[in-house]
Amino acid sequence: DAGVIQSPRHEVTEMGQEVTLRCKPISGHDYLFWYRQTMMRGLELLIYFNNNVPIDDSGMPEDRFSAKMPNASFSTLKIQPSEPRDSAVYFCASSSSGGNYGYTFGSGTRLTVV
Amino acid sequence: GDSVTQMEGPVTLSEEAFLTINCTYTATGYPSLFWYVQYPGEGLQLLLKATKADDKGSNKGFEATYRKETTSFHLEKGSVQVSDSAVYFCALSPRYNTDKLIFGTGTRLQVFP
Repeated sequence: DAGVIQSPRHEVTEMGQEVTLRCKPISGHDYLFWYRQTMMRGLELLIYFNNNVPIDDSGMPEDRFSAKMPNASFSTLKIQPSEPRDSAVYFCASSSSGGNYGYTFGSGTRLTVV
Repeated sequence: GDSVTQMEGPVTLSEEAFLTINCTYTATGYPSLFWYVQYPGEGLQLLLKATKADDKGSNKGFEATYRKETTSFHLEKGSVQVSDSAVYFCALSPRYNTDKLIFGTGTRLQVFP
């Protein structure tokens, strides 16, 4: 199994541009989570899906952020327009049982907005 | 609500020293407990877990015991290596909502030769 695959690994963009982060979960996993990690705020849960349906998006910082999961093997996190304070590492994780047996994390996307 | 508290870092040790990273939790009922490790430039990896009181999770020389009486899940290793340098996260899965993991703030471990 290739694990959770995120792309791109690094993204540098200018303020105001649209950014799309991508995630392919482990096959058979029915939960998908998007996290953001910064030095100041640590690890924050942004949104999670169960069976492709968004369950809790209360961590999404504002309307500029949106996430979709059109099928069981693909999810996107979009920021439009991007701002410098969005600079962070964004992680995707998947699980076959929610949190009860742990998550598998991707390697993350390091986003820099200049 | 449920929460996890970890000791502040960084923890700085010499190679072959004994490691303890403290983790305590607040939870309704008996959650499942986890330790994750994050190496530089990588995502979090599950290190070990325990799902009920008195269980001991172990992996790669690391151990942690689920202590219900003290609501703790301290991470220990008898002899650390430089390659153990990383950030360690304690986490719990609440009984009332097993969808989620609640993470602590992480503790950075630095091991010097």
